[in-house]
Amino acid sequence: EPEVTQTPSHQVTQMGQEVILRCVPISNHLYFYWYRQILGQKVEFLVSFYNNEISEKSEIFDDQFSVERPDGSNFTLKIRSTKLEDSAMYFCASSRDRGPAGELFFGEGSRLTVL
Amino acid sequence: QKEVEQDPGPLSVPEGAIVSLNCTYSNSAFQYFMWYRQYSRKGPELLMYTYSSGNKEDGRFTAQVDKSSKYISLFIRDSQPSDSATYLCAMSENSGGSNYKLTFGKGTLLTVNP
Repeated sequence: EPEVTQTPSHQVTQMGQEVILRCVPISNHLYFYWYRQILGQKVEFLVSFYNNEISEKSEIFDDQFSVERPDGSNFTLKIRSTKLEDSAMYFCASSRDRGPAGELFFGEGSRLTVL
Repeated sequence: QKEVEQDPGPLSVPEGAIVSLNCTYSNSAFQYFMWYRQYSRKGPELLMYTYSSGNKEDGRFTAQVDKSSKYISLFIRDSQPSDSATYLCAMSENSGGSNYKLTFGKGTLLTVNP
């Protein structure tokens, strides 16, 4: 069964450091997303990406965040200068269609701990 | 008022029980309603989605939407220990962008005891 894969599963970093979280979406999917879940809180939308550009972003997704699809398979989330409050589980997701007739597939998440 | 409210539980039931999970919402623009299941340390997995008021059934699961009351439910019949997970409701507007800009509830932790 096709799946979204994410690396690393857990990353610990110092405040102020740059972090890149990587995702390999399902191969025939065209829409890509990042969501995050702070411990004990709701899953929150960060950004959606289609046709090599951001299609929508939330107010959480400020200038310290960026996304990129550097090649035909990877989709990355970069946090330029991490803050303590960036500690969360980050989920990558992909879909074949813009929804909702299709299905949104989530990866298992990358846990980011900022010290 | 928060956009989507969901009782976080925890909810503990015996095997075979009927489980009822609920969410309320305040945003009238929400058009699509989904239920996700999330096992510990895993990503959310779509269980069901619907976009109209009424019931939708899939095996032991029934999703119910009442747009007039801004209330959605998920019923699980004959619950099994393998149903033990966190259940998340999620909703989206019919915006010009992706319909997968989802707003989630906080999730209800369900334990089904054998």
